[in-house]
Amino acid sequence: KQEVTQIPAALSVPEGENLVLNCSFTDSAIYNLQWFRQDPGKGLTSLLLIQSSQREQTSGRLNASLDKSSGRSTLYIAASQPGDSATYLCAVRRRRDSGAGSYQLTFGKGTKLSVIP
Amino acid sequence: ETGVTQTPRHLVMGMTNKKSLKCEQHLGHNAMYWYKQSAKKPLELMFVYSLEERVENNSVPSRFSPECPNSSHLFLHLHTLQPEDSALYLCASSQDLPADTQYFGPGTRLTVL
Repeated sequence: KQEVTQIPAALSVPEGENLVLNCSFTDSAIYNLQWFRQDPGKGLTSLLLIQSSQREQTSGRLNASLDKSSGRSTLYIAASQPGDSATYLCAVRRRRDSGAGSYQLTFGKGTKLSVIP
Repeated sequence: ETGVTQTPRHLVMGMTNKKSLKCEQHLGHNAMYWYKQSAKKPLELMFVYSLEERVENNSVPSRFSPECPNSSHLFLHLHTLQPEDSALYLCASSQDLPADTQYFGPGTRLTVL
């Protein structure tokens, strides 16, 4: 059974600092990995999607990397801003050839980020 | 604005009540999902519907009963719930199954007394 772990559970940094969020998964037979952002009172927003054949994806100040063999992904946020404060969730999707439920996402518990002005 | 709306946003109910959660997607998608997000636990998939047919029931107790009358609407009927069912219930939709991208609603915060 796939398990996804995110460390740390919470992180507080001063504005302008670069930071890294970590995600690890136990089963490397994944189809892709996504990073989501969740704001209080709102649903999840997809930030970056990395296919299993890719090593990284970038969007603005965000960079996500994937090392499938070691079961790890990182989300790098450059020059953090107070508006980046949210909970960041990592989710992996099973391989397509794994049959029923291959579209299921397995989520981590998230890292709650606070960026202090 | 995600295009997926959920009502009510907050719900408090007793263990003997019957209530329903509603989800509506305005994106023309064919697949819809119910997730449960409990405190201190990861987001868990409950049900998946594709073209109004249930394709996944992730070992969810029968006190949760989903209904998908059309591809734009999804309901979760609740009856005789337990306090441990208190959680944030999130609805999502995607173009088809399988899909790389799911669009999430804001959720319904449910408290069972």
